[in-house]
Amino acid sequence: DQQVKQNSPSLSVQEGRISILNCDYTNSMFDYFLWYKKYPAEGPTFLISISSIKDKNEDGRFTVFLNKSAKHLSLHIVPSQPGDSAVYFCAASAVAAGNKLTFGGGTRVLVKP
Amino acid sequence: EPEVTQTPSHQVTQMGQEVILRCVPISNHLYFYWYRQILGQKVEFLVSFYNNEISEKSEIFDDQFSVERPDGSNFTLKIRSTKLEDSAMYFCASSYGQGGNQPQHFGDGTRLSIL
Repeated sequence: DQQVKQNSPSLSVQEGRISILNCDYTNSMFDYFLWYKKYPAEGPTFLISISSIKDKNEDGRFTVFLNKSAKHLSLHIVPSQPGDSAVYFCAASAVAAGNKLTFGGGTRVLVKP
Repeated sequence: EPEVTQTPSHQVTQMGQEVILRCVPISNHLYFYWYRQILGQKVEFLVSFYNNEISEKSEIFDDQFSVERPDGSNFTLKIRSTKLEDSAMYFCASSYGQGGNQPQHFGDGTRLSIL
């Protein structure tokens, strides 16, 4: 299932700098996009979401940008902190498809002190 | 903060045996889900459950799988006759509503190992 893709398997960033994670999708029916963070041996934790009718949503250090014409979204974390080191999953859902989440493959972020 | 709890954290089972994975969703949530992640692969949807019935299921969720909400708090996934390829991390999730403004909250998963 390649409907949601995260092309960067890993990202390394210095503490205090910006982390930018990217996600591409193919299905125009998606109406919500979500970012989850996952630590080892834990389940995914919801971070932030955006409706397909918006182009930006911000929550503290986290901002998600959506470019519908390019079918692309990104998550910006600024400033990055060592505790942000985790795997980040992009996910998408469509109410017409019962709100099931379709996940990308994840991006492992390492924030160096 | 309320959370989804899953038991056991690790289940080892012989191939062909039945296994039941248990979940306690967040108490006021109405929608319940199971996902799985095979090692090295994406998290993939199995089934969603609302109002005491399955609302959506994937191709993976064949006749060997079933879900049940036996009481007001538990949500279970049963695999009737396990196969080697059922080895995966199984995540339960719940949400109050649908859509990104009612996000799904996940448990920490059950690691299922089929021998």
